Amino acid sequence: EVQLLESGGGLVQPGGSLRLSCTASGFTFSNSAMSWVRQAPGKGLDWVSSISSSGATTYYADSVKGRFTISRDNSKDTLYLQMNSLRPEDMAVYFCAGGKYNFGTLAYWGQGTLVTVSS
Amino acid sequence: EIVLTQSPATLSLSPGERPTLSCRASQSVSSNLAWYQQKPGQAPRLLIYDASNRATGIPARFSASGSGTDFTLTISSLEPEDFAVYYCQQRSNWPLTFGGGTKVEIK
Repeated sequence: EVQLLESGGGLVQPGGSLRLSCTASGFTFSNSAMSWVRQAPGKGLDWVSSISSSGATTYYADSVKGRFTISRDNSKDTLYLQMNSLRPEDMAVYFCAGGKYNFGTLAYWGQGTLVTVSS
Repeated sequence: EIVLTQSPATLSLSPGERPTLSCRASQSVSSNLAWYQQKPGQAPRLLIYDASNRATGIPARFSASGSGTDFTLTISSLEPEDFAVYYCQQRSNWPLTFGGGTKVEIK
């Protein structure tokens, strides 16, 4: 059974930092491009960042470029998102997603982790 | 950035009906389009990839077509579990983008 389990969300003040993790199982993580997608309360889906299977190539939404860093550790089957200089508009449920088919098709999804940015 | 426009925003239907959902891209995405279903409190689920290919385990009542800028998702006969929000998403160009969603609700 495929599982993606996010962790690391929580309450942070504006300007603060958080590191999200996503641990994968049930598929060959090291062969899979992965992404982070967020969803603000009551809103639609918003792509944040993606990383190739090797980690050599990364992409970011303009809204997070320079503040967020995506990375992965294939030896641990884990995806990360380091979020710095958080803003109220970053508040959302953050999903990790990815898997088979091709780069940019989000076959598997985690259950999400809530990031709240508030003073 | 490629903008995806979904229509209608809401569909009010009864079980057994046949909805057709539309997704229009601001420029060609070839066949690099996926469809997802999301129910309240749940993560999205991949239904269709590369415009017309059903993902593993997706029932045959879901079908999709299109290429370039115009795409459709059809559910041949609505089941109670199909009432949800549906999103299209393109992977042709970075950034990846999603449409605003179509809510299929019970009439």
